[in-house]
Amino acid sequence: GESVGLHLPTLSVQEGDNSIINCAYSNSASDYFIWYKQESGKGPQFIIDIRSNMDKRQGQRVTVLLNKTVKHLSLQIAATQPGDSAVYFCAEKIGGGGKLIFGQGTELSVKP
Amino acid sequence: DSGVTQTPKHLITATGQRVTLRCSPRSGDLSVYWYQQSLDQGLQFLIQYYNGEERAKGNILERFSAQQFPDLHSELNLSSLELGDSALYFCASSESGTWNEKLFFGSGTQLSVL
Repeated sequence: GESVGLHLPTLSVQEGDNSIINCAYSNSASDYFIWYKQESGKGPQFIIDIRSNMDKRQGQRVTVLLNKTVKHLSLQIAATQPGDSAVYFCAEKIGGGGKLIFGQGTELSVKP
Repeated sequence: DSGVTQTPKHLITATGQRVTLRCSPRSGDLSVYWYQQSLDQGLQFLIQYYNGEERAKGNILERFSAQQFPDLHSELNLSSLELGDSALYFCASSESGTWNEKLFFGSGTQLSVL
């Protein structure tokens, strides 16, 4: 069935280092992907998105890479800061509707 | 602040009871989504509405129902509550509910069933 999963449930990095959070998806028909950040006590917050006709998209300090061949998505955070500590979710959409299917989440911990 | 408002923030109730969760979408957004977040299931899609009409249904139990009103706010009704219904319930909204729109999430309602 449809599923989106994360390789690592927890990730600990040093402040200033780059972080890479990975995500595998199983549905080759997925055509839109989003990364969300969820801080404790808050709802998921949009970080960056990418359509299936792209393989890379950059934002401010964040880059999303999409490899459709192996159905893999990654989020790169440059110069990770303590404020980046949160749970990160990848989510996918399958065309025709608006609902998102979420992965299980990776907790990012940034050590000062 | 995402612009999506959910009330109440916390709700404590007993098994067998019924509760109503309320959501006001961002100004201008026509589509509303409900998600359930629990420790063992992650973020699960429940249901989507667009301009008052149901558009998509996910893993929503028959004891749960929702609706979107003419002013576009939405309510999620949970009845015959069980301990396992304890979770965070999120509402999200998007402009038109199409495939390439990002969803904006509210802060959630924490439901505790005792």
